[in-house]
Amino acid sequence: KAGVTQTPRYLIKTRGQQVTLSCSPISGHRSVSWYQQTPGQGLQFLFEYFSETQRNKGNFPGRFSGRQFSNSRSEMNVSTLELGDSALYLCASSQDRGSTDTQYFGPGTRLTVL
Amino acid sequence: AQSVSQHNHHVILSEAASLELGCNYSYGGTVNLFWYVQYPGQHLQLLLKYFSGDPLVKGIKGFEAEFIKSKFSFNLRKPSVQWSDTAEYFCAPPQTGGFKTIFGAGTRLFVKA
Repeated sequence: KAGVTQTPRYLIKTRGQQVTLSCSPISGHRSVSWYQQTPGQGLQFLFEYFSETQRNKGNFPGRFSGRQFSNSRSEMNVSTLELGDSALYLCASSQDRGSTDTQYFGPGTRLTVL
Repeated sequence: AQSVSQHNHHVILSEAASLELGCNYSYGGTVNLFWYVQYPGQHLQLLLKYFSGDPLVKGIKGFEAEFIKSKFSFNLRKPSVQWSDTAEYFCAPPQTGGFKTIFGAGTRLFVKA
């Protein structure tokens, strides 16, 4: 089975722009979660989607949004980029996102905001 | 609020030394605990997980973790580390509130050859 894929792998944007990141989960996985990873804050949960519905959201401003399509692929959007949004954005998929499910992570998208 | 604490942020060991990374969490309900590892240049991946039963859990590459309910701890151990264990290790305690995962701050382990 192919793993979780994320595109693009690297992205450079300037302040004020917006960006869309894409995640394709492992085939058969219905849950997709997004995380922001930075050296200072570690791994922080952004949101989780299951069957096209957002089931939970972390403590991020409304500039961060996401969606999930019927094929379980997910996109994350960040509007009005700020310098502090520079981070590695990770996507993880799992079969049913129960509390015992293992999450399978993608390689991440490295976003740099100038 | 749910929280997790990883005591060691940076650990440097020589090969063959023993390893123990601490993880404490605050939660009183059903316990499902995970350790994830991120090797340099690789994806974050599962190291081991505990749901129930024997509190001593064995994972990949010789790692194990012990769940001690009375101490709210799930420490990661390896008797003899190798240079290839150089990585960042994340503890992920119970998930509550509708599938919201909290990860610890991570511990960067560097093993000297």
